[in-house]
Amino acid sequence: DAGVIQSPRHEVTEMGQEVTLRCKPISGHDYLFWYRQTMMRGLELLIYFNNNVPIDDSGMPEDRFSAKMPNASFSTLKIQPSEPRDSAVYFCASATEGVGQPQHFGDGTRLSIL
Amino acid sequence: GENVEQHPSTLSVQEGDSAVIKCTYSDSASNYFPWYKQELGKGPQLIIDIRSNVGEKKDQRIAVTLNKTAKHFSLHITETQPEDSAVYFCAASKTYKYIFGTGTRLKVLA
Repeated sequence: DAGVIQSPRHEVTEMGQEVTLRCKPISGHDYLFWYRQTMMRGLELLIYFNNNVPIDDSGMPEDRFSAKMPNASFSTLKIQPSEPRDSAVYFCASATEGVGQPQHFGDGTRLSIL
Repeated sequence: GENVEQHPSTLSVQEGDSAVIKCTYSDSASNYFPWYKQELGKGPQLIIDIRSNVGEKKDQRIAVTLNKTAKHFSLHITETQPEDSAVYFCAASKTYKYIFGTGTRLKVLA
């Protein structure tokens, strides 16, 4: 079975540009999570969806960040405008229904804002 | 707020020796504790998990123990191999939100 698929794997762009990260969760998974990983702050949950509906976006750092899930097989995380401090690895994960179900991670997008 | 402390931050062991990584959580309502292995350039991969109604779980060379009273849980890797070298993360949760530890970089020396 295919795992969580993220694209692009690497993104380098200049400050001020719009960045869009994409995620395809595992088929049949009802939950989708977006994380950010940095050396300073570790793995941080940004937002998660259940059945395409955002449930908790308390981890989204600023209004420059937005996430959507238009259907069960696709989600985007957008940063506009981007800043150098947004440089990090962004992970998407998905899980089935039920508290205590493991989250399955994609291989991430390494984002560098110059 | 909710917090998970993980120790040590780095760990070097000789091939064939055992490795132990420890985590402490703050929220006594936490009831699910997964462990992830992250290799360079990859996402975290689940290696083992334990629920609060179980004190120990084992899968081949990997085991996890949970002490709910002390709010501690530990990962044990026996007969370590070079391919076990990676960063390991613990996490605790009571809902769909995981609180991750800060990670342990394990190096297995051949």
